Amino acid sequence: QKEVEQNSGPLSVPEGAIASLNCTYSDRGSQSFFWYRQYSGKSPELIMFIYSNGDKEDGRFTAQLNKASQYVSLLIRDSQPSDSATYLCAVNMRTNAGKSTFGDGTTLTVKP
Amino acid sequence: ETGVTQTPRHLVMGMTNKKSLKCEQHLGHNAMYWYKQSAKKPLELMFVYSLEERVENNSVPSRFSPECPNSSHLFLHLHTLQPEDSALYLCASSQDGGIGEQYFGPGTRLTVT
Repeated sequence: QKEVEQNSGPLSVPEGAIASLNCTYSDRGSQSFFWYRQYSGKSPELIMFIYSNGDKEDGRFTAQLNKASQYVSLLIRDSQPSDSATYLCAVNMRTNAGKSTFGDGTTLTVKP
Repeated sequence: ETGVTQTPRHLVMGMTNKKSLKCEQHLGHNAMYWYKQSAKKPLELMFVYSLEERVENNSVPSRFSPECPNSSHLFLHLHTLQPEDSALYLCASSQDGGIGEQYFGPGTRLTVT
């Protein structure tokens, strides 16, 4: 089992829909959670971080964290074609001395 | 501009060449990383430096040799590479000794011929 697991994808949604990206992790003691976006041929860029249970909203993006169930998700409302990218979940795990462990990523395509 | 720069952006080298990749961060961070990303594959962590000390080396072949002379600069020295080493090499930095969010440079696209 991978330490950080994401939907294998690819995920395709129509423009204007809600895209839901999910991530589960193995270390129950993990404290910090990050979502990165990576466009094809570019480097990852941080879009959200969350530390506490519940929802955190930033514009069209909402990160949701449930530590008891060991999952973190990213919702993208009113999806735009420009949101088409690979989304990487990263978890700071005690088993990795608190450093980020990345998932394999989920590729999202938003169709006009 | 993320505050992390990498040079060169593109590099083509033969298997017998020696070259170096350079990374510089202007964010005042104290941890720096090298990642490898091959086509259609996930990020592979290669090296981590925290407070200028190497804290992780993920079983990377010795033909890759990192150097971190100070908290702002990171190098990856390359020698006798193989064609399968062709990939995007990404540098990143973070604060808090490596437990914070990471900021990535634009990467060096390496092709080994």
